Amino acid sequence: EDKVVQSPLSLVVHEGDTVTLNCSYEVTNFRSLLWYKQEKKAPTFLFMLTSSGIEKKSGRLSSILDKKELSSILNITATQTGDSAIYLCAFTLIQGAQKLVFGQGTRLTINP
Amino acid sequence: DTEVTQTPKHLVMGMTNKKSLKCEQHMGHRAMYWYKQKAKKPPELMFVYSYEKLSINESVPSRFSPECPNSSLLNLHLHALQPEDSALYLCASSLLPAEGTGELFFGEGSRLTVL
Repeated sequence: EDKVVQSPLSLVVHEGDTVTLNCSYEVTNFRSLLWYKQEKKAPTFLFMLTSSGIEKKSGRLSSILDKKELSSILNITATQTGDSAIYLCAFTLIQGAQKLVFGQGTRLTINP
Repeated sequence: DTEVTQTPKHLVMGMTNKKSLKCEQHMGHRAMYWYKQKAKKPPELMFVYSYEKLSINESVPSRFSPECPNSSLLNLHLHALQPEDSALYLCASSLLPAEGTGELFFGEGSRLTVL
């Protein structure tokens, strides 16, 4: 059965710290891995990764995929209180690639 | 327009009621989705429509009935629900895999409470 596991499940840091969130997967017919941020309601898209070793960056956030290790990390530098959210990792499949399956998420809290 | 709009935002219904959740997008996406999210859990896929046809049903009970009347609209008809069906129902849309990245755009959700 395809699955994705995120760690840690919960993380509390101080503003200005750097955090690394992990996502590992066991998926046959892997197509892509996506990161989403969910605050109060709808998840918002952060990154999509399909190629191993290529870093995607957006401001203070960056992410990279390691297909050999079947994992991905999401880095946030110089964290701000507005980064407090649940960060969700998800994968899509080559077959039935419309099916986005989420991990359980990492709840990140940034304290001032 | 990069929005997925869901109505109503909140819905309270009894177990004998019939109600509907609605979702609309005007991004030209031909794939639309219903997800269910319980508190402190990730979204769980319920249904996928592509080209207005149901392509994935994740063994959802028949008391949930999806409908895609056209390429911009997606409905979820609710009948004889149970209290454990109370959750946030998220609609999403995307380009189809052959057309784009597969990124899903989510609506704000409809928070359903079944009494």
